[in-house]
Amino acid sequence: DVKVTQSSRYLVKRTGEKVFLECVQDMDHENMFWYRQDPGLGLRLIYFSYDVKMKEKGDIPEGYSVSREKKERFSLILESASTNQTSMYLCASSLGGASTDTQYFGPGTRLTVL
Amino acid sequence: DAKTTQPNSMESNEEEPVHLPCNHSTISGTDYIHWYRQLPSQGPEYVIHGLTSNVNNRMASLAIAEDRKSSTLILHRATLRDAAVYYCILIRDDKIIFGKGTRLHILP
Repeated sequence: DVKVTQSSRYLVKRTGEKVFLECVQDMDHENMFWYRQDPGLGLRLIYFSYDVKMKEKGDIPEGYSVSREKKERFSLILESASTNQTSMYLCASSLGGASTDTQYFGPGTRLTVL
Repeated sequence: DAKTTQPNSMESNEEEPVHLPCNHSTISGTDYIHWYRQLPSQGPEYVIHGLTSNVNNRMASLAIAEDRKSSTLILHRATLRDAAVYYCILIRDDKIIFGKGTRLHILP
């Protein structure tokens, strides 16, 4: 079975802190994605990556950056956390393109910024 | 951008079929229709996807209207474990647009 793991289930940080959210997949997938999920807004795509060292902006990239130094690992970085970044963050991976291939999601990280 | 519209919530009795509708009137010819569901305290999981033709798999069936402006996810025999939020999603060239989802309640 494909497994996507995220470094923390719950995280509490203070405003202005630099935050790293880590995601690892074990199926040699090419594509990896970061979403945030908020009540009433559903899931929104932040960034995605097709390959190592490659990244593309999603719908809401402002305030975030990403890093993909190894194929299996995709990191989401909040350079200076703000309270409006309190959310559930979900990582996903897929073998092929998102159009035709299944995305496998991790369990999510609930981030609270105080 | 194309978007999807789903009812906020639906109820169904256990062991009965469930039809979950999704409207996507601005869909384009290259948009794939995907369905995912999210169980409580879990990440979303894939259910089914299609482009033009109806699709069946072990979890569900997907019926796509001839004009592709709407689709219906069909759970043939709902169980309590099917209680979840179901998302209808359009994907075009890897641009992914999630709707707000339908919360499905299953009544025992």
